[in-house]
Amino acid sequence: NAGVTQTPKFQVLKTGQSMTLQCAQDMNHEYMSWYRQDPGMGLRLIHYSVGAGITDQGEVPNGYNVSRSTTEDFPLRLLSAAPSQTSVYFCASSYEGGPFRSYEQYFGPGTRLTVT
Amino acid sequence: KNEVEQSPQNLTAQEGEFITINCSYSVGISALHWLQQHPGGGIVSLFMLSSGKKKHGRLIATINIQEKHSSLHITASHPRDSAVYICAAHLTGSARQLTFGSGTQLTVLP
Repeated sequence: NAGVTQTPKFQVLKTGQSMTLQCAQDMNHEYMSWYRQDPGMGLRLIHYSVGAGITDQGEVPNGYNVSRSTTEDFPLRLLSAAPSQTSVYFCASSYEGGPFRSYEQYFGPGTRLTVT
Repeated sequence: KNEVEQSPQNLTAQEGEFITINCSYSVGISALHWLQQHPGGGIVSLFMLSSGKKKHGRLIATINIQEKHSSLHITASHPRDSAVYICAAHLTGSARQLTFGSGTQLTVLP
């Protein structure tokens, strides 16, 4: 199993540009999520999905869009990049335990994004 | 105030020392994770626990639900243990989402 894969590893964007960060997992996990990690702050949840066709917002969703057309893929779209979106982005997946049960999280290697 | 807090923020130890990293939380949780982030940036899950104690090799994680506190211990520390250790909790009522501590940077000197 490849686990959770993310592409690209590094990206530089100009303000106003759009792009999609790719995330895929081959473990048949229902739950997938996107986080951003900024210096001095813990990881913060951007969006998550509990299955194909179902997505929801996390703590910091503004400026980002997601969709989940398959179990395997969960892309994150930056609609119009801003310097405040400079961060390291992690995708994660796990089994979906519903609101009362949680499972081990598997993280992708991260995407380092710089917006100038 | 963050609902999940870690201490210390930075920790330097000599090889062989016993290390403790603490995590406290201010609200009810259903489970707590300990994660390790390598210098290269990758994050791996070390433990997930909702009660008691778990051990894996030289790593031990404990949780006291009543006291809202968890600890990660490393016995016989080694320079390869140098990493950022992160605790993250599933808060009651939002168990699908993780709330993260800000991490503890551990450096083990040879």
